[in-house]
Amino acid sequence: EAQVTQNPRYLITVTGKKLTVTCSQNMNHEYMSWYRQDPGLGLRQIYYSMNVEVTDKGDVPEGYKVSRKEKRNFPLILESPSPNQTSLYFCASSLAPGRTYEQYFGPGTRLTVT
Amino acid sequence: AQSVSQHNHHVILSEAASLELGCNYSYGGTVNLFWYVQYPGQHLQLLLKYFSGDPLVKGIKGFEAEFIKSKFSFNLRKPSVQWSDTAEYFCAVNAPSYNTDKLIFGTGTRLQVFP
Repeated sequence: EAQVTQNPRYLITVTGKKLTVTCSQNMNHEYMSWYRQDPGLGLRQIYYSMNVEVTDKGDVPEGYKVSRKEKRNFPLILESPSPNQTSLYFCASSLAPGRTYEQYFGPGTRLTVT
Repeated sequence: AQSVSQHNHHVILSEAASLELGCNYSYGGTVNLFWYVQYPGQHLQLLLKYFSGDPLVKGIKGFEAEFIKSKFSFNLRKPSVQWSDTAEYFCAVNAPSYNTDKLIFGTGTRLQVFP
């Protein structure tokens, strides 16, 4: 089944404790990105990747890191999480950038930072 | 910068009522337009999309949307809603000239349908 998976689905952590949220897609998609969803703000892009080893900042990159060492994986790293990063995070992928392909979203990761 | 406005934040309807959710975007060039739905506790799913051609687009589950270029609008409609349509709906825009797939989302409209 074609899908985007994220782990963990739920995470409660404390300020400053490094964490990684994994994202994996099995569709051989070139493009992957991370969004955060906050009430009243919709979804905002954090980082995106056009292909392996090619990443760039989205609209709200502060406090986040990403890497794209393999085509299928695009982990989101919070080196020192803070309470303002409490949010719902979605990973998305599409076949190729800039060619109007549909984006597929993962199930979401609900992160709480205390 | 691109932006997307969804004017209805919370809509409450009875089953069988008609639905129209507004979406306006600000971008002067060619755009791709999307409506996504998020059922409670689930991920976003694509309802419909407009890339080019017929401005009236039909999607899944009886939804449709009309692209009106002169009004920068892409309103979502359904003639008769069901309880199962209770969800949050997001309008999104992508500008292909940017050569990325970045989607600019609206803030969402929460739809509640009562039996």
